[in-house]
Amino acid sequence: AQTVTQSQPEMSVQEAETVTLSCTYDTSENNYYLFWYKQPPSRQMILVIRQEAYKQQNATENRFSVNFQKAAKSFSLKISDSQLGDTAMYFCAFADPGATNKLIFGTGTLLAVQP
Amino acid sequence: KAGVTQTPRYLIKTRGQQVTLSCSPISGHRSVSWYQQTPGQGLQFLFEYFSETQRNKGNFPGRFSGRQFSNSRSEMNVSTLELGDSALYLCASSLGQSNQPQHFGDGTRLSIL
Repeated sequence: AQTVTQSQPEMSVQEAETVTLSCTYDTSENNYYLFWYKQPPSRQMILVIRQEAYKQQNATENRFSVNFQKAAKSFSLKISDSQLGDTAMYFCAFADPGATNKLIFGTGTLLAVQP
Repeated sequence: KAGVTQTPRYLIKTRGQQVTLSCSPISGHRSVSWYQQTPGQGLQFLFEYFSETQRNKGNFPGRFSGRQFSNSRSEMNVSTLELGDSALYLCASSLGQSNQPQHFGDGTRLSIL
């Protein structure tokens, strides 16, 4: 069974600085999809970024980028120029093409951006 | 385009009762997935419906059931409620394939007394 591990329950960063959130996963599949979602206090889950395992190039969305290491089964999220609005719970998620739309989530990292 | 709409936002029930939660997906989305979020267990997949058929199911007891209508709206039902069913229930919709991102609603907060 696939598992997703986020080893940092909480992190703090100063506004305008860069922070990296860690995520590792376990799977025997070769093709799959990885996502980072954020959940602010308003509780709506918002997609931050996604990565397809067969793509070598790391995904980037504005201030958000990933470091995808397939062999190491690692999928970290880097947030540059952190803003107060980035304060949220961040979840790493795995999707297996064989189980369409069944996301397996990590336990989350609570990120606090300090002014 | 309107987002995913979940109703009601809050619900209080007592043990033994049953409850029905509703989810209206984004227009054009045919897949609806349900998740349970609790402090202890985190986010867990309940089931997914696509074109009125249950396509995937998580490891939850039979008290948890769902259905999807021809307009893609979905309902989730929990019977014989237990204290441990207190949770935030999230619904997500997508076009249907795993590489398509799921868009989440604001959730229904269910409290069991």
